[in-house]
Amino acid sequence: GAVVSQHPSWVICKSGTSVKIECRSLDFQATTMFWYRQFPKQSLMLMATSNEGSKATYEQGVEKDKFLINHASLTLSTLTVTSAHPEDSSFYICSARIPGQGGQPQHFGDGTRLSIL
Amino acid sequence: QQQVKQSPQSLIVQKGGIPIINCAYENTAFDYFPWYQQFPGKGPALLIAIRPDVSEKKEGRFTISFNKSAKQFSLHIMDSQPGDSATYFCACFHASGGSYIPTFGRGTSLIVHP
Repeated sequence: GAVVSQHPSWVICKSGTSVKIECRSLDFQATTMFWYRQFPKQSLMLMATSNEGSKATYEQGVEKDKFLINHASLTLSTLTVTSAHPEDSSFYICSARIPGQGGQPQHFGDGTRLSIL
Repeated sequence: QQQVKQSPQSLIVQKGGIPIINCAYENTAFDYFPWYQQFPGKGPALLIAIRPDVSEKKEGRFTISFNKSAKQFSLHIMDSQPGDSATYFCACFHASGGSYIPTFGRGTSLIVHP
């Protein structure tokens, strides 16, 4: 079954709106979660690493004031796209690693499709 | 600079065939190499992964072959089925600041005809 839950799965909103996406780890605590962006038929691009209780680490070229990340608890990280514009339309995916699990697998959520009109 | 090169971009095989997808990397600091399967509208799902101290790993119909000296690894899907039709991504992980950071390949769209 799913170990990482993402909500909503699809959101359509007007330009200028701020949109919040939630990523929850199910039945385990995730001190670190990751946010990705994926354009159609393209690969996943890491946007930021979300750390519980501290500031997120953003990848080069990602605007931290545009993409606000909050990791307020060990099971929830949120990504807020502020003042969204059509070019922000994309598929946003989060992932988390189960602590103590062998190797470095990352379990992904099912993604959120964001469409800005 | 593309650190992880995945090929081919797309692949079509008949049911029962053995599609092979390849990835090449440049950064010798990478030390974990998973393959993910992604269906449309879904997040990627971990298929199989390997570490550089092993040359081959098999799980069910999926096999990873790893060539450390060539900095290449590949995914083989035995007895492929139409349900295997999906996009496959390789990834390379390296440690950074106490966490593991992935770099993904561009993906391979696989179609398995009945």
